[in-house]
Amino acid sequence: QVQLQESGPGLVKPSETLSLTCAVSGYSIGSGYYWGWIRQPPEKGLEWIATTVHTGGAYYNPSLKSRVTISMDTSRNQFSLRLTSMTAADTAIYYCVTVDGARSFDYWGQGILVTVSS
Amino acid sequence: QSDLTQPRSVSGSPGQSVTISCTGTIGDVGLFNYVSWYQQHPGKAPKLMIYDVSQRPSGVPDRFSGSKSDTTASLTISGLQAEDEADYYCCSYAGSYTLVFGTGTKVTVL
Repeated sequence: QVQLQESGPGLVKPSETLSLTCAVSGYSIGSGYYWGWIRQPPEKGLEWIATTVHTGGAYYNPSLKSRVTISMDTSRNQFSLRLTSMTAADTAIYYCVTVDGARSFDYWGQGILVTVSS
Repeated sequence: QSDLTQPRSVSGSPGQSVTISCTGTIGDVGLFNYVSWYQQHPGKAPKLMIYDVSQRPSGVPDRFSGSKSDTTASLTISGLQAEDEADYYCCSYAGSYTLVFGTGTKVTVL
């Protein structure tokens, strides 16, 4: 069974860059599958951020594309998210997920709350 | 890319059936048979309940079923139980490996 665990800062200052990592266990990310990030602002709905695949492809939400980078580190069996120019609107729980067939999210991490505040 | 539209809330008594609608466009729900549904209890990560419009992952009760007509997908919960009280989100593939979520629906068991 695939297990996912997010890590990163819980507090980021406005205009700074957020870097999050998702450690994967139970599966070798270089073997296949798509991997992604989703976020959820407090008391609000879900928003897909980005998806990547072991072949190197990266796909982004058009509304965030200019600020987001998703990447994989197969040697460490983890993948990462980088989000630049953070504002209060980026305050959210960030989840890492598996993206089955690039179209549904079957495994989820527990989520990490990231707050943007000075 | 706009959010899919869901009713803010639905409710039903134990044993009843409730249906949640998810309305998109001809560019997402209407074009692809790749709608999924997620259940989220307070303070928990979402859980996949339905994928590819009507497929249930292993372990999901058959009380949960999905369907689609034109640009609207639906999730039906039959035989409503107390533990079904949660938020539900639909999601659709929108082409070019992009995905869009619904606005979310709160299901209340009366």
